[in-house]
Amino acid sequence: DAGVIQSPRHEVTEMGQEVTLRCKPISGHDYLFWYRQTMMRGLELLIYFNNNVPIDDSGMPEDRFSAKMPNASFSTLKIQPSEPRDSAVYFCASTPSSGRAYEQYFGPGTRLTVT
Amino acid sequence: AQSVTQLDSQVPVFEEAPVELRCNYSSSVSVYLFWYVQYPNQGLQLLLKYLSGSTLVKGINGFEAEFNKSQTSFHLRKPSVHISDTAEYFCAVSSGGYNKLIFGAGTRLAVHP
Repeated sequence: DAGVIQSPRHEVTEMGQEVTLRCKPISGHDYLFWYRQTMMRGLELLIYFNNNVPIDDSGMPEDRFSAKMPNASFSTLKIQPSEPRDSAVYFCASTPSSGRAYEQYFGPGTRLTVT
Repeated sequence: AQSVTQLDSQVPVFEEAPVELRCNYSSSVSVYLFWYVQYPNQGLQLLLKYLSGSTLVKGINGFEAEFNKSQTSFHLRKPSVHISDTAEYFCAVSSGGYNKLIFGAGTRLAVHP
């Protein structure tokens, strides 16, 4: 299996621009998680989905952030408008609901820089 | 509410020396515990997990961890480290029947020759 795929790997944008991060989970996994990692705050869970439905979005920092999962093989995290404080590495992870439950498989991350 | 505390932000150690990375958790219900490793510029990958059974858990790359319920700890150990073990290590907790993980702040292990 190719693992969790994220794109782009690096994104540099100017403040005020819209940014869209993409994730393809491992086939057959029905949980999908979005995390943000910064030096100051460590690894934060932003939102997670089960069977394409958002279950917990309490970690989404503010209304500028939104996430969707239109089908089992694709999710997006959008920031509009972006701000310099959004600069971070954003990870997507997926896990099956049975068998090896709780073992989250992480993608390589998207490094976002907002200038 | 659950939380995870990693007691050391950085641990320097010489190659072939033993190492212990400390992790304490708090939870009012039964827990599942995990250690993940993050190599530079990569995502996290699972080292080992405790779900039930034996309190001594063995993982990949020669790491092991011991679940201590009375001390609410899940320390990670390796008897002899290699340069390639240099990475950041994250302890995480999840309550039963719940896929959401709570991660600690991470411990940066630096192995020196």
